[in-house]
Amino acid sequence: SQQGEEDPQALSIQEGENATMNCSYKTSINNLQWYRQNSGRGLVHLILIRSNEREKHSGRLRVTLDTSKKSSSLLITASRAADTASYFCATVGNTNAGKSTFGDGTTLTVKP
Amino acid sequence: NAGVTQTPKFRVLKTGQSMTLLCAQDMNHEYMYWYRQDPGMGLRLIHYSVGEGTTAKGEVPDGYNVSRLKKQNFLLGLESAAPSQTSVYFCASSYEGGGIGELFFGEGSRLTVL
Repeated sequence: SQQGEEDPQALSIQEGENATMNCSYKTSINNLQWYRQNSGRGLVHLILIRSNEREKHSGRLRVTLDTSKKSSSLLITASRAADTASYFCATVGNTNAGKSTFGDGTTLTVKP
Repeated sequence: NAGVTQTPKFRVLKTGQSMTLLCAQDMNHEYMYWYRQDPGMGLRLIHYSVGEGTTAKGEVPDGYNVSRLKKQNFLLGLESAAPSQTSVYFCASSYEGGGIGELFFGEGSRLTVL
């Protein structure tokens, strides 16, 4: 399976701290995307990183990709209570006709 | 601009009943997808469409049918609902295929099958 696996499953931090979550996958990918899901809502796209990129930034988000280790990390700096959500990685590989495959997510709780 | 709209938002069915979930997008996207999300899990692809009049099976298509008669609409049907189909269903659309474009999601349709 192409499915990404996030780690940890749950993360609880204080406001102002940084949050790091990881995604590992099994086979070669074309790109990897991160999404956020607030409780009871749909997923919202955060960032896309292509297989030939190693790092990407967007505001307080920093995503890295290590294709040799088949892993990616999402760093949220200076976290806020509003960052409380579940975060999912989605991978798109060479063999699944361009369809995104989602991991089970990391649930982040930021305490005020 | 509404984005992706799903109806209904909530539905309770009895085993064996049928129903249709409607997804509508107003972004002129070619690609549309139906996912299901079970508690504590990620999304699994049920069916998808790469354009008007086309449909294809995803990871978990059994028990579901889809139609894309109009570009802006993607319908998901349950022919004979089973308790295992209790889930939250998400529709998504994208401008580009191949996983290049970001997915725009609806707010979900929560289905309970008794």
